[in-house]
Amino acid sequence: EAQVTQNPRYLITVTGKKLTVTCSQNMNHEYMSWYRQDPGLGLRQIYYSMNVEVTDKGDVPEGYKVSRKEKRNFPLILESPSPNQTSLYFCASSLGRTLSYNEQFFGPGTRLTVL
Amino acid sequence: AQSVTQLDSHVSVSEGTPVLLRCNYSSSYSPSLFWYVQHPNKGLQLLLKYTSAATLVKGINGFEAEFKKSETSFHLTKPSAHMSDAAEYFCVVPEWTGFQKLVFGTGTRLLVSP
Repeated sequence: EAQVTQNPRYLITVTGKKLTVTCSQNMNHEYMSWYRQDPGLGLRQIYYSMNVEVTDKGDVPEGYKVSRKEKRNFPLILESPSPNQTSLYFCASSLGRTLSYNEQFFGPGTRLTVL
Repeated sequence: AQSVTQLDSHVSVSEGTPVLLRCNYSSSYSPSLFWYVQHPNKGLQLLLKYTSAATLVKGINGFEAEFKKSETSFHLTKPSAHMSDAAEYFCVVPEWTGFQKLVFGTGTRLLVSP
């Protein structure tokens, strides 16, 4: 089944404790991105990647890192999480970067709470 | 810059009555526009998309939307609500800023009562 998977689905952690949220897609998609969803703000893009070893900042990149060593994986790294990073995170992928024509497929989300 | 405004944060309807979720867009050119749906504790799913072909777009689960350039609107409708339609709906526009990204509206939560 074609899908985007994320792990973990739920995570409660403490301020400053490094964590990684994994994202994997099995559709051979080139374009992947991370969003965070906050009440009243919709989804905002954190980082995106147009292909292996090609990543760039989205609208809200502060406090996050990403890497793209393999086409299928795009982990999100929080080196020193803070309470304002408590949010619902979504990974998404699409075949190409022209999003007018290439549907973005979303993972199920990771709910992160930073105490 | 592209943007979308969802005019209602919450919409409540009774099962069997029509649904109208409103979205206005701001764009310097005729954009592509999407509606995504997010059911509780689920990811986002593409409901329908407009890409400058027919202005009336049909999507999944009986939803449709009409692109009206004169009103800069892309409202989502369904003739008869079902309990399973209860979800959050996002109006979305892709934007080019050196790369292409999706710009999301703030969302409309649809509540359906029996």
